[in-house]
Amino acid sequence: EAGVAQSPRYKIIEKRQSVAFWCNPISGHATLYWYQQILGQGPKLLIQFQNNGVVDDSQLPKDRFSAERLKGVDSTLKIQPAKLEDSAVYLCASSLIPWGGGYNEQFFGPGTRLTVL
Amino acid sequence: DQQVKQNSPSLSVQEGRISILNCDYTNSMFDYFLWYKKYPAEGPTFLISISSIKDKNEDGRFTVFLNKSAKHLSLHIVPSQPGDSAVYFCAASARETSGSRLTFGEGTQLTVNP
Repeated sequence: EAGVAQSPRYKIIEKRQSVAFWCNPISGHATLYWYQQILGQGPKLLIQFQNNGVVDDSQLPKDRFSAERLKGVDSTLKIQPAKLEDSAVYLCASSLIPWGGGYNEQFFGPGTRLTVL
Repeated sequence: DQQVKQNSPSLSVQEGRISILNCDYTNSMFDYFLWYKKYPAEGPTFLISISSIKDKNEDGRFTVFLNKSAKHLSLHIVPSQPGDSAVYFCAASARETSGSRLTFGEGTQLTVNP
């Protein structure tokens, strides 16, 4: 079974530029998550989708970050314009079914390492 | 506000000995706790979890202990193997109030020496 795919793996941009990341979750997984992991910190949830609807975007800096999951499968995360403090690894994860009862394991992709100069 | 804290950035142990990784939390609404393992250039992978109604969960060489009164959990790895060398993240969820949102600690780099 293929895992969560992300691209690009690495990206270097200058501040004030725009950047987009792509995620393809595991086939059949209804829930998709985007996390930001700054060096020396744990992953922080930015946004969670249930199919193509947003469930939780309370920690997404909406003035510069946006995300979409138009057909309930692939997702893109965009930063416009980027700031120096956006340098981080952006992780995408997916899980099979919505939260309810027991834990639904989140499977993570390898991440995209963003460097903003 | 760091609700999940892993106070040890790194831990080094000898192969065959026990590794103990610690995690503290402040949010009393957390009711589910997980440990993830992360190798360089890979995403985190789920290792083991525990519900707040339990105080221990065991899976092979890995055991997680939960002390709710102290708001503390620990991961024991016995015996430790060189392949266990990785960053370990503690994570917590408040399922009633925040659904499946996970709050992660900062991570502990475990090095198991042959």
